[in-house]
Amino acid sequence: DAMVIQNPRYQVTQFGKPVTLSCSQTLNHNVMYWYQQKSSQAPKLLFHYYDKDFNNEADTPDNFQSRRPNTSFCFLDIRSPGLGDAAMYLCATSRAGTGANYGYTFGSGTRLTVV
Amino acid sequence: AQSVTQLGSHVSVSEGALVLLRCNYSSSVPPYLFWYVQYPNQGLQLLLKYTTGATLVKGINGFEAEFKKSETSFHLTKPSAHMSDAAEYFCAVSVRDDKIIFGKGTRLHILP
Repeated sequence: DAMVIQNPRYQVTQFGKPVTLSCSQTLNHNVMYWYQQKSSQAPKLLFHYYDKDFNNEADTPDNFQSRRPNTSFCFLDIRSPGLGDAAMYLCATSRAGTGANYGYTFGSGTRLTVV
Repeated sequence: AQSVTQLGSHVSVSEGALVLLRCNYSSSVPPYLFWYVQYPNQGLQLLLKYTTGATLVKGINGFEAEFKKSETSFHLTKPSAHMSDAAEYFCAVSVRDDKIIFGKGTRLHILP
């Protein structure tokens, strides 16, 4: 089945130690999104890629970076995680021009704990 | 700018009772509207969406929602709640720029 896969499902990292979360998709969608969702809050868009074009949200901290080496994979890098970065990180995909019509396809998320 | 307001962060209903989750939106152009469901430690799953046409939309698991432009609302309903409906529900809006804005969510509790 075509899907969006996030690895790992649970990640524990130390305060200040760089961490990378990964997302892969078999849908061949050209738009990929990263959302941060803190407990009992709405998912918050961090950035998204249109193909290789990177689009950062204005209020996304510099501590968060992303890479998209090819259509199938997208990575979220947190350079120096703080306690406030503990959250669920959600990856989503859509086909350009249709995300608004059909919604996104989400992965199962990676829950990040910072100790 | 578009936004979504979900009334009630927690809603409890008895099994078999009507489910009503409220959502109001703000948009300067005709919106596209969505309801997503999230089970614990899972991603978001699309329940239903409104783009154009019929204002009453049916989704998965027996849910439906009605777009009411005059009330700027898109409330989610289900005639008879089931224990498996316990989850977090998010209303969302898009204005055709491929970016979706989510509400803060409503956690639905089902009482036996």
